[in-house]
Amino acid sequence: DARVTQTPRHKVTEMGQEVTMRCQPILGHNTVFWYRQTMMQGLELLAYFRNRAPLDDSGMPKDRFSAEMPDATLATLKIQPSEPRDSAVYFCASGFGGYREKLFFGSGTQLSVL
Amino acid sequence: GENVEQHPSTLSVQEGDSAVIKCTYSDSASNYFPWYKQELGKRPQLIIDIRSNVGEKKDQRIAVTLNKTAKHFSLHITETQPEDSAVYFCAASSDNNDMRFGAGTRLTVKP
Repeated sequence: DARVTQTPRHKVTEMGQEVTMRCQPILGHNTVFWYRQTMMQGLELLAYFRNRAPLDDSGMPKDRFSAEMPDATLATLKIQPSEPRDSAVYFCASGFGGYREKLFFGSGTQLSVL
Repeated sequence: GENVEQHPSTLSVQEGDSAVIKCTYSDSASNYFPWYKQELGKRPQLIIDIRSNVGEKKDQRIAVTLNKTAKHFSLHITETQPEDSAVYFCAASSDNNDMRFGAGTRLTVKP
């Protein structure tokens, strides 16, 4: 049963530290999404890749967040420097094809910035 | 870009009753409308989806309706059970477009 793999599952860090979250999409999927989930904001889109190219990262604070896909099997989301307001669950999801995409979500990274 | 609004934010029903969650979208080019269910502490998972060329789709106790003219779609759960308790998200996307989610509805089914 193919799954999207996210690491780490939990991360506790201090304000100002760099945080890197990783995602391994399902083999063969060509789209990758990063979402942030908080109690207040629901599922907030941060970035979106298709065939490793970034298509939309307008939801991401550019001054501290960056998203990359160095290869087809790895997507990363970095926060530098991290702030307490970044505390949330970060989900990666992957899909295949153009429109009508069924997304498969990873288990998420629970981030706590103290 | 697409904007998806979802109502209500919370919904409580008695076991056996029906539950209805409604969503509206802004981009008339949107043509794919999935619904995801997220149980506490778990990842969102697709439960049903509908394409723009269909007005209604049913899968056992779950049904989704789509009104393209009014740009709204709804999730209907009949004969609700306690295990239906979760957060439900609607979403919309179009060709070459990202997947935007509604804010979620927390459904509680009371035994």
